[in-house]
Amino acid sequence: GNSVTQMEGPVTLSEEAFLTINCTYTATGYPSLFWYVQYPGEGLQLLLKATKADDKGSNKGFEATYRKETTSFHLEKGSVQVSDSAVYFCALFSGSARQLTFGSGTQLTVLP
Amino acid sequence: GAGVSQSPRYKVAKRGQDVALRCDPISGHVSLFWYQQALGQGPEFLTYFQNEAQLDKSGLPSDRFFAERPEGSVSTLKIQRTQQEDSAVYLCASSLVGGNTIYFGEGSWLTVV
Repeated sequence: GNSVTQMEGPVTLSEEAFLTINCTYTATGYPSLFWYVQYPGEGLQLLLKATKADDKGSNKGFEATYRKETTSFHLEKGSVQVSDSAVYFCALFSGSARQLTFGSGTQLTVLP
Repeated sequence: GAGVSQSPRYKVAKRGQDVALRCDPISGHVSLFWYQQALGQGPEFLTYFQNEAQLDKSGLPSDRFFAERPEGSVSTLKIQRTQQEDSAVYLCASSLVGGNTIYFGEGSWLTVV
């Protein structure tokens, strides 16, 4: 079956530090890959996505590249801000299963 | 509407009570999903509709959980005889037919006491 493994948190960084959150996946076929962000008390917001190998998704300074050879989709940001503090979820969408499969989430706290 | 709308946002239910959670998807979105998110965990798939047809209900944890979408738009997730382990956030999401970008609502936070 499909599965997503995320780097365990919590992650605490100082403002302007470099961020990497690792994500690897197992899937049949060619899934699409996503990062969602969840701010306290809110629902999931789509952060970025990539639909095929070597695609790079980017938004709000965050980037992730779909690496088929390593089955990875690591999230990066060059300079984090306090407002980036949230929980980040890596997910894959399998067309055959017609559902998103999520990782367990990584709590990020950015200190001023 | 502009986004996926869910109600109620917060619900406290006594154990054994029945609850109904409503989801209004983005206008024109044929696909509708329900997910359950326990505290500190990632969302877990419950069920999927395409229009009014429930094509996958493999994630529903027990026969106390029931979902419907009778007119292919608004959906209701019903939980009968609630138990404490049902306490979670219930997320509704929608997408275009064949689309792989799924948009989520803010969730209904259910606490069973």
